[in-house]
Amino acid sequence: NAGVTQTPKFQVLKTGQSMTLQCAQDMNHNSMYWYRQDPGMGLRLIYYSASEGTTDKGEVPNGYNVSRLNKREFSLRLESAAPSQTSVYFCASSGYRIREAFFGQGTRLTVV
Amino acid sequence: AQTVTQSQPEMSVQEAETVTLSCTYDTSESDYYLFWYKQPPSRQMILVIRQEAYKQQNATENRFSVNFQKAAKSFSLKISDSQLGDAAMYFCAYKGGGSNYKLTFGKGTLLTVNP
Repeated sequence: NAGVTQTPKFQVLKTGQSMTLQCAQDMNHNSMYWYRQDPGMGLRLIYYSASEGTTDKGEVPNGYNVSRLNKREFSLRLESAAPSQTSVYFCASSGYRIREAFFGQGTRLTVV
Repeated sequence: AQTVTQSQPEMSVQEAETVTLSCTYDTSESDYYLFWYKQPPSRQMILVIRQEAYKQQNATENRFSVNFQKAAKSFSLKISDSQLGDAAMYFCAYKGGGSNYKLTFGKGTLLTVNP
């Protein structure tokens, strides 16, 4: 039972490069989330999705795009990476009846 | 907009003693869920305890319990008989009920357990 799987675990990008963080869950959850974690800032919500085909902006959406490809997958794209996007990124999912969120292992992204 | 505030950036406790971590939240909803998550150095997010707002009884999970004060919008976590393995970052989180599925976190409290 894999739960929530994020890839990659680590990534180094040069300023201006693009990349997509992948997230997949196998728990048949409706809601999925992307967060970034920075020291002293907690987890800040970037985007979230209630179901396939729907997405909403969180607190810090600028510089990011998302795609809810199907019920299982929710990807986060950085079109032109900036050093300010250096962070640890977490994907999470939750169901309707099971309200708590389950998290992936996180992706440590460094933009140089 | 829902907000979650953890006013203690760092706390410390002696092994075997009790510590309480504070959390307050702001919401206009009557139906919602509150959570405490633990993040050890491995950075994995682990659910510690959950509280449904409609339940008056405080949630308990082994050595972990909460003091849920709905009117005061307060949700503190008590850890009894602290163990070295409890050392971690602790996050308080809020999730709306009904069609509001946004999940909001506080900034966290770093707990140190001294032997």
